[in-house]
Amino acid sequence: SYVLTQPPSVSVAPGNTASITCGGENIGSETVHWYRQRPGQAPVLVTYYDDARPSGIPDRFSGSRSGNTATLTITRVEAGDEADYYCQVWDSDSDPSYVFGTGTKFTVL
Amino acid sequence: QVLLLQSGPEVTKPGASVKVSCKASGDRFTTHYVHWVRQAPGQGLEWMARINPSHGDTYFAQKFQGRVTMAWDTSTNTAYMQLSRLTFDDTAMYYCTRSSLRDWYYFDIWGQGTQVTVSS
Repeated sequence: SYVLTQPPSVSVAPGNTASITCGGENIGSETVHWYRQRPGQAPVLVTYYDDARPSGIPDRFSGSRSGNTATLTITRVEAGDEADYYCQVWDSDSDPSYVFGTGTKFTVL
Repeated sequence: QVLLLQSGPEVTKPGASVKVSCKASGDRFTTHYVHWVRQAPGQGLEWMARINPSHGDTYFAQKFQGRVTMAWDTSTNTAYMQLSRLTFDDTAMYYCTRSSLRDWYYFDIWGQGTQVTVSS
């Protein structure tokens, strides 16, 4: 099955910019979606199709893709951004087709 | 506002089955798939299966083929997921979520989760 690898943890001070990566073979040919999961809560979609945002998600969140890596960038980091973040793709050749990354615990220092 | 409201926590024994419900409000869900995703304690997200409420067709991760049954009740706008032959490894939070039929690649709305605990 398709594997998406994320760093286990990322830490950033408030007001700075954070980058959370998601690596996968040929991820450049996939569309990548990102979810935020605060402790004790359900996941929430934060970006889809790399850099589109659902209503209610601030423009501080953006996604990008280059080579075998997708990146979620959070600018002007706030305490409320602290959460686990997961990337996700749909890969027709994989079982399961819906694949989540390993997850990153994002800490605001 | 579209909401997915799931049933309450379940405690069950190895070998038994559990049935979780997911009631949709604010949308008839004729244009969306309903999916089930689970998360074991301290672990990541794992996609299990999906159902098309309009036609009832289903699609499973091979890992769950034969153990998961899904259904949709049109009269109550509620999805059901039953997991059988439970083991301790099935202890997890189970989420329902949805994706568009035309744009099925990501999940835009999630239920609050149902905790299933398998204990002897």
